[in-house]
Amino acid sequence: ETGVTQTPRHLVMGMTNKKSLKCEQHLGHNAMYWYKQSAKKPLELMFVYSLEERVENNSVPSRFSPECPNSSHLFLHLHTLQPEDSALYLCASSQDRQGEISGANVLTFGAGSRLTVL
Amino acid sequence: GQNIDQPTEMTATEGAIVQINCTYQTSGFNGLFWYQQHAGEAPTFLSYNVLDGLEEKGRFSSFLSRSKGYSYLLLKELQMKDSASYLCAPTGFQKLVFGTGTRLLVSP
Repeated sequence: ETGVTQTPRHLVMGMTNKKSLKCEQHLGHNAMYWYKQSAKKPLELMFVYSLEERVENNSVPSRFSPECPNSSHLFLHLHTLQPEDSALYLCASSQDRQGEISGANVLTFGAGSRLTVL
Repeated sequence: GQNIDQPTEMTATEGAIVQINCTYQTSGFNGLFWYQQHAGEAPTFLSYNVLDGLEEKGRFSSFLSRSKGYSYLLLKELQMKDSASYLCAPTGFQKLVFGTGTRLLVSP
């Protein structure tokens, strides 16, 4: 497989469920990201990992818990979510963490996990 | 603060030229990306601008004026497959800040 792969593509869960989103990149990149995309809203950065260390947490509620066990894998653990958390969750990776703008900071996105919270 | 403004929707016909404008106000700016996103798919990279001026890449070109906080994406010889959302993403303190995107509809 190539690029950035996300599973599952679609997830429906109740507010009391615990589920996880998985992201895998086969590009040898050092930085990985979780973004949230809601209808008619801009992409919102949630978490950034660089070399497996969390370097950014954009005031995301604790019901979202990221995990980066190695530079190729990123998880988003979901627990007691709210209906307003229903959205498309996009994983992305880049060669280096975004700093000076260059080709090394181009984001490669996965196709996303469409989450519906009932 | 961070503020990005792009038109919500534009329409154009096949073979035409369309210009998608983006104005922005971000702190710590050092460049701007454009991404394309087809419905139900991942955003894909189109271009980035660091310096003022025009960057040309085949049918797509992107322009940046840092002093005016302004960029545009120019699409030439439009094709039906160009129907998508176009996301303007200036950088702010070492991270991208995305606009809501411009949905482009190309008709025959």
